[in-house]
This record gives sequence, structure tokens and C-alpha cells, in this order.
Amino acid sequence: KNQVEQSPQSLIILEGKNCTLQCNYTVSPFSNLRWYKQDTGRGPVSLTIMTFSENTKSNGRYTATLDADTKQSSLHITASQLSDSASYICVVSEVSQGNLIFGKGTKLSVKP
Amino acid sequence: GAVVSQHPSWVICKSGTSVKIECRSLDFQATTMFWYRQFPKQSLMLMATSNEGSKATYEQGVEKDKFLINHASLTLSTLTVTSAHPEDSSFYICSARPDPGGTDTQYFGPGTRLTVL
Repeated sequence: KNQVEQSPQSLIILEGKNCTLQCNYTVSPFSNLRWYKQDTGRGPVSLTIMTFSENTKSNGRYTATLDADTKQSSLHITASQLSDSASYICVVSEVSQGNLIFGKGTKLSVKP
Repeated sequence: GAVVSQHPSWVICKSGTSVKIECRSLDFQATTMFWYRQFPKQSLMLMATSNEGSKATYEQGVEKDKFLINHASLTLSTLTVTSAHPEDSSFYICSARPDPGGTDTQYFGPGTRLTVL
């Protein structure tokens, strides 16, 4: 069964600190991996998208990495801000039907 | 660009009533839209794929007679929760796949919070 596992489930950090969120997946073959930010009570917003041949992708203070060999991805957030408090969801696309496989997300809380 | 809206953003209804949720792609056309449901602290779960001009495709375990989907145009899909019950209370999110586009590109709406009393 294709799965996407994220860790940690939740994380609390102080404003200005960096953090790294993890995503392990078993989807194979896959076409791309996305990281989304979902604010409470809102829909997901895309942060980064990487194909299987890409190793890293940045979007401002967000940097995603991908190791297709070990089927692992990470999202690194630098100089965190209070507005970074949200759930971060890892989503992997299947090649065969284009289905999106969602992780359960990591809930990040940035405290002043 | 690529904005998807949902209406209403939240709704409270009595048990047994029906509720309609609209999903619109504001600046692009979408032959295919998707409806998801998200329970607290859970991931998005695909309920159905909505196709303009044809019947929706429902995921296993989703009752098609309870969750009616109508893809009326290339920019509008509606989800009607019929005879709603408290267990239908959830966060409903739609997404739209732009025409033409990659098979897995989806833009998400802001979601609709449904509370059934």
C-alpha cells in the first residue's frame, strides 16, 4: 500500500529558530513530491514541488530536499516566524493514475 | 493566478437537512475537480473525482447517494451532503486540475467547515 509518513507529528519552536520536518514514502514509482502549508481552517497551499530527479528546491525560507533512493524528503524552515505556525503536509503523486497520496502532516507552532 | 474558491466557508445545519457546497476555479477552466474530507488531526481523504459533463467517480466507502456531485461547468462543481448527520461534520476541501495541465496538478480551495447539529 502506498503510504506517506511524516514526522514529527507536532513541533514547537521559538521564533527565529530553524526546524526540519521529515517525510518518508513508499509510493513507487512516483512523479513528484510536494510540500504544502495548511493554516488552520484553510486549504493547503503549495510550497515546493520536486520531481524524482531533483534533490532540492527552495521557496524563500523554505527548502525541500529529496532522496529518491531512500524515499525520504525533508522541509527545512529557516528563521521561523509566528506566521509559519501551520500544518505542513507532504504529498506524493503516483505515476500510474496521478493520484495524490497525502501524509498526515506535521503541526508546527512557532512561539514568541 | 490559479485561485479556487469555496462557498460557504462554514455552515451549521440541523440533522436531516441537505447542504450544498460550491467549488469554483476563478481564473482557469477545470474539467476535473476533486472533493476531499478532512477530520481533525487527519490528512485529506479523497471522496470523489468530479468530471464536467459526466458522472463523478467515488472512492471506495463513499456513498454516492449521500454526497451528490454536480460538475455544471468548467469552473463550477458542487457537493451536496444529503440528509446530513452529525458524523458528516467535517472540513470539506475541493481542488481543481487546470485545463490543460499535468495529470497531478491540483489547486486547492480554502475549505468549508460543516457542522451538523
